[in-house]
Amino acid sequence: DSGVTQTPKHLITATGQRVTLRCSPRSGDLSVYWYQQSLDQGLQFLIQYYNGEERAKGNILERFSAQQFPDLHSELNLSSLELGDSALYFCASSARDGLNTEAFFGQGTRLTVV
Amino acid sequence: LAKTTQPISMDSYEGQEVNITCSHNNIATNDYITWYQQFPSQGPRFIIQGYKTKVTNEVASLFIPADRKSSTLSLPRVSLSDTAVYYCLVGANYGGSQGNLIFGKGTKLSVKP
Repeated sequence: DSGVTQTPKHLITATGQRVTLRCSPRSGDLSVYWYQQSLDQGLQFLIQYYNGEERAKGNILERFSAQQFPDLHSELNLSSLELGDSALYFCASSARDGLNTEAFFGQGTRLTVV
Repeated sequence: LAKTTQPISMDSYEGQEVNITCSHNNIATNDYITWYQQFPSQGPRFIIQGYKTKVTNEVASLFIPADRKSSTLSLPRVSLSDTAVYYCLVGANYGGSQGNLIFGKGTKLSVKP
């Protein structure tokens, strides 16, 4: 158990809908990272927050947004969903503010868009 | 942005030492090298990180030559439970380092009895 909690574990929704994925980092970790993993694209970095502020952006679509709240939990919002958004979405946390630091990953949210 | 190249797959037998090499010709001065392990349908797990020479922890060793254009993850005496995908990452590990972090396709290690 990494200490990072992601909810829900599974999500099935229709095209055009909007969903919110939630992540609770390890106790004390200030950084939260979001990743998308699909069969054809592999594991892709989306965005990083540190202590409530956006720190780095990767391959995140404009339809996607994220935020980190004062209690350090984070949410990833996916809107106008398309079939291609079906993937495993991981959240990771780290004690440090850096892109390439030792990060602890959650079990992921499997999103299926139908 | 440093790109990494790893073998797509490797096979080994239980008890053998496995070395997985990653090429990163465009590594920047401030970049560190990190390796993760991932089992199917699970999040990646941090294995080791290094900047130069050799780093060793309880599960692996990381060898980085002087030019830092490649690195080798060494897994001693692998077991069946080491069957997984191994990712090599290169990037800065300090705050405010804008940019992307590319995991690539990784190396699928299969350990046979």
